[in-house]
Amino acid sequence: IAGITQAPTSQILAAGRRMTLRCTQDMRHNAMYWYRQDLGLGLRLIHYSNTAGTTGKGEVPDGYSVSRANTDDFPLTLASAVPSQTSVYFCASSDGIGANVLTFGAGSRLTVL
Amino acid sequence: GQNIDQPTEMTATEGAIVQINCTYQTSGFNGLFWYQQHAGEAPTFLSYNVLDGLEEKGRFSSFLSRSKGYSYLLLKELQMKDSASYLCAVRDSNYQLIWGAGTKLIIKP
Repeated sequence: IAGITQAPTSQILAAGRRMTLRCTQDMRHNAMYWYRQDLGLGLRLIHYSNTAGTTGKGEVPDGYSVSRANTDDFPLTLASAVPSQTSVYFCASSDGIGANVLTFGAGSRLTVL
Repeated sequence: GQNIDQPTEMTATEGAIVQINCTYQTSGFNGLFWYQQHAGEAPTFLSYNVLDGLEEKGRFSSFLSRSKGYSYLLLKELQMKDSASYLCAVRDSNYQLIWGAGTKLIIKP
């Protein structure tokens, strides 16, 4: 692993199903983030974690939950997927909230039907 | 509300120079960032400005005017591989990043 690994790369999901997007980093970064990217819109922050054991809500948290049991992993769960959650999801990390560089994973493309 | 504006799409010729503008209105300011995103890939960091002026890094330069809420990214000696989207983002007073929708840059031979 080098950087951030996201899984799955792509997924088609029926509405109402539960889905967890996985994110693992090997840089020992303290802060991790989940963004969604939709056509014509900027990246929007869903949830973040400043350090292991803490999480916070971003701009668009409804319908999503996260956990940060350790430094490396930051899974994003959709408890009951809806079509409006069709998007590309990016996990990112940084050395801290004041760090100047975010490192992004390759993204997970999710389609909810 | 907080807002980042940048052109949706720009076209330029290989070997030429292009300037991508970004204007912002945010709650506080703790730096402005430019990221490059090739189609289907992750954004990658290009530049960071927190003080007024020009930051040069090879073929890419970024300029900031805090009083005008304005930045630009200047790309010189354009190459076909520079075809990508360029994302402008501002870190606000809560240290949250506010992102523009990105400018898709098309390079023609």
